[in-house]
Amino acid sequence: QKEVEQNSGPLSVPEGAIASLNCTYSDRGSQSFFWYRQYSGKSPELIMFIYSNGDKEDGRFTAQLNKASQYVSLLIRDSQPSDSATYLCAIPASGGSYIPTFGRGTSLIVHP
Amino acid sequence: KAGVTQTPRYLIKTRGQQVTLSCSPISGHRSVSWYQQTPGQGLQFLFEYFSETQRNKGNFPGRFSGRQFSNSRSEMNVSTLELGDSALYLCASRQGVGTEAFFGQGTRLTVV
Repeated sequence: QKEVEQNSGPLSVPEGAIASLNCTYSDRGSQSFFWYRQYSGKSPELIMFIYSNGDKEDGRFTAQLNKASQYVSLLIRDSQPSDSATYLCAIPASGGSYIPTFGRGTSLIVHP
Repeated sequence: KAGVTQTPRYLIKTRGQQVTLSCSPISGHRSVSWYQQTPGQGLQFLFEYFSETQRNKGNFPGRFSGRQFSNSRSEMNVSTLELGDSALYLCASRQGVGTEAFFGQGTRLTVV
């Protein structure tokens, strides 16, 4: 059974700061990872995808993957109040398992 | 192209009743997954269908069931509703195993 752990937060950061969101996973065989953002009352939307060790940057977002330590993180630079949401880490289905596994999410609050 | 469509958006039912929710995936996507989301439990996997076959089922009682039609549209049914079934029910479609999931807007079910 794959497990994904996230600190539920809330993580509160001032506007313009770097927000760091972390996720650990139990399945060493996991090859790729997704980050979803979910605004209150809305459905999750994909914001980042990473499958290689190291960093992947997309605008203000950077995903970092460390397979040896089994963690993946999401950095948001120059945080804006509009970034306030819950961020979900997910391991997609792979191999013989068709079940993508989601963490419970970290609530991020960016205050002006 | 059109996204994932879920109907209805909101439902209020009384205990003991049954309910059917509908999901139309993105055109060309044959995989449809259902999730229950509550504040306390996060995103919980219900089941996944691919080409009209249930490929995996989460840890939910038999009151929760689903099906998929030849056009990939899916329905889920909950019988003998309980208060604890109140949740946001999300449907996600994917092109294949390991690919990103695209979520519908969800159906907010309230059981009174």
